[in-house]
Amino acid sequence: ETGVTQSPTHLIKTRGQQVTLRCSSQSGHNTVSWYQQALGQGPQFIFQYYREEENGRGNFPPRFSGLQFPNYSSELNVNALELDDSALYLCASSTGRDNSYNSPLHFGNGTRLTVT
Amino acid sequence: QKEVEQDPGPLSVPEGAIVSLNCTYSNSAFQYFMWYRQYSRKGPELLMYTYSSGNKEDGRFTAQVDKSSKYISLFIRDSQPSDSATYLCAMSASGSARQLTFGSGTQLTVLP
Repeated sequence: ETGVTQSPTHLIKTRGQQVTLRCSSQSGHNTVSWYQQALGQGPQFIFQYYREEENGRGNFPPRFSGLQFPNYSSELNVNALELDDSALYLCASSTGRDNSYNSPLHFGNGTRLTVT
Repeated sequence: QKEVEQDPGPLSVPEGAIVSLNCTYSNSAFQYFMWYRQYSRKGPELLMYTYSSGNKEDGRFTAQVDKSSKYISLFIRDSQPSDSATYLCAMSASGSARQLTFGSGTQLTVLP
């Protein structure tokens, strides 16, 4: 059983640019969530996709957007990058839309984004 | 005030010690409580997952939830150098999708 994989592992972008981060969910998982983790902080929820539809969003502006594909892989897109967007971006997958004791979130190792 | 407060440490203990990690929270809607371990340059790895109040034990790890005090704990017995990592508490309300609210993490070092 393969885990959650993310690409690329590291990325450097310039302020104002756009970036796309990719995630392959763990086999059999139909829910994907994205989190932003600033240095020295805990992850912050960006949004969640269940069966290709967004069904939960945290306190992030619209320039953060996403997609989930029929094979349950996912993308996170960030437009008009700002210096504060520098962080580790984590993808997590699970089964089912809502919290379930039997299906917690499993995280990938993240993409480290640096905005200069 | 943050919804979830966690002492950032750093915490340094000798090998074999009992480690106590704690979080407090303010949102009474939280029903699901988790502890994640995060090694440097890695994603969080789920350690313990409890629903509502009570205790749960798994090997050297024990998680406790006291909803009346809005306080959760993770105990590590017989700590090992391989336990050196950042420990994150996380919690979620019922029916809130999988929106986890994390603490800021406690950095633990177990010295050989």
